[in-house]
Amino acid sequence: QVQLVQSGAEVKKPGASVKVSCKATGYTSTNYAMYWVRQAPGQRLEWMGWINVGNGNTKYSQKFQVRVTIIRDTSASTAYMELSSLRSEDTAVYYCARDNGGILDHWGQGTLVTVSS
Amino acid sequence: EIVMTQSPATLSVSPGERATLSCRASQSVSSSLAWYQQKPGQAPRLLIYGASTRATGIPARFSGIGSGTEFTLTISGLQSEDFAVYYCQQYNDWLTFGGGTKVEIK
Repeated sequence: QVQLVQSGAEVKKPGASVKVSCKATGYTSTNYAMYWVRQAPGQRLEWMGWINVGNGNTKYSQKFQVRVTIIRDTSASTAYMELSSLRSEDTAVYYCARDNGGILDHWGQGTLVTVSS
Repeated sequence: EIVMTQSPATLSVSPGERATLSCRASQSVSSSLAWYQQKPGQAPRLLIYGASTRATGIPARFSGIGSGTEFTLTISGLQSEDFAVYYCQQYNDWLTFGGGTKVEIK
């Protein structure tokens, strides 16, 4: 069955970077794109970026464009999201989700990133 | 950016009753509208896509309707496992999500 397994929780200091991984199993990862979505406490879900896992093309939300990088390792069926220059407002749960034509049909379990001095 | 607005923010419903949730888009998204259910500590789960098509394994008590800018999710005969937060999401122009409707036990 389709599974997206993310890396574990992280605690970072302001100004640092965080890299979250998302390993896909149960399907051919290069056949689907991937979104990264975050959920800050009390805030709505918001998309951060998207990667075409097949060719590596990316698209970033304007809000995160200067701070986020999404890459993939097709040999490991794994996508990565790196967010830099962290601030307290970046404390959130970060999700990867399989893109099925804009429909997020499978989600990772989420990775809590806490930014605190 | 397309803004998605959900109402009400909280809906108190008794088990067995019907819940009606609304979602409005700031501009037309055609039928590119999905609904998700999220329980505490869990990732969202896809319920409905294309405004009205149930995802695999979703019970028939969940139904969606709408197009353009107005959408509705109806849960008929609420069961205990249905008390959760529900989000709408448009995918006509990248993604945006609504603020959610919490369905709580009355």
